[in-house]
Amino acid sequence: GENVEQHPSTLSVQEGDSAVIKCTYSDSASNYFPWYKQELGKRPQLIIDIRSNVGEKKDQRIAVTLNKTAKHFSLHITETQPEDSAVYFCAASLRGGNKLTFGTGTQLKVEL
Amino acid sequence: DGGITQSPKYLFRKEGQNVTLSCEQNLNHDAMYWYRQDPGQGLRLIYYSQIVNDFQKGDIAEGYSVSREKKESFPLTVTSAQKNPTAFYLCASSKGGATGELFFGEGSRLTVL
Repeated sequence: GENVEQHPSTLSVQEGDSAVIKCTYSDSASNYFPWYKQELGKRPQLIIDIRSNVGEKKDQRIAVTLNKTAKHFSLHITETQPEDSAVYFCAASLRGGNKLTFGTGTQLKVEL
Repeated sequence: DGGITQSPKYLFRKEGQNVTLSCEQNLNHDAMYWYRQDPGQGLRLIYYSQIVNDFQKGDIAEGYSVSREKKESFPLTVTSAQKNPTAFYLCASSKGGATGELFFGEGSRLTVL
């Protein structure tokens, strides 16, 4: 089955700096790659996703890039703010699949 | 209000007892999922269901059971066969299967004493 590895497990940045979280996946048939944000004590929520027919997608301060050849994708957050502090999960799903496999999560802390 | 509701939020049980976690959604979603969240291990899939009366094992199904008798409901039973049941359990639903947005419940924290 699919295996998703996520790095780093913790990330601390200064407010205003950029943050990058990286994930690799094992199954070349995967074609859907979402990112979820889980604030402390709250449920995970989708913040951005990308499908394998595009290499990059942006939504305001967040962007996701995908390298199908290398089987890795990354989340980029620019101009970080304290409210960006949360656990971020990457995930991957096979084409037409019914299972979403998550990475182990990254605890992002944005310091003032 | 449309959404997905899990209950109870906190649950304590003695070792050897079965416990059932409730998950209800009014989003009219066909697909429903149960994930287990442990520190440092992300979200691991226990069971999932794409339609009523059908469900499949996820990656860590041993010691768990589910049913899907109604579209809106997908209860999870943690049986005494689950060796390490203390965890945070998240239910989710989606309209488009695994390649669509998952909507999560607020979770149920189970502690086995």
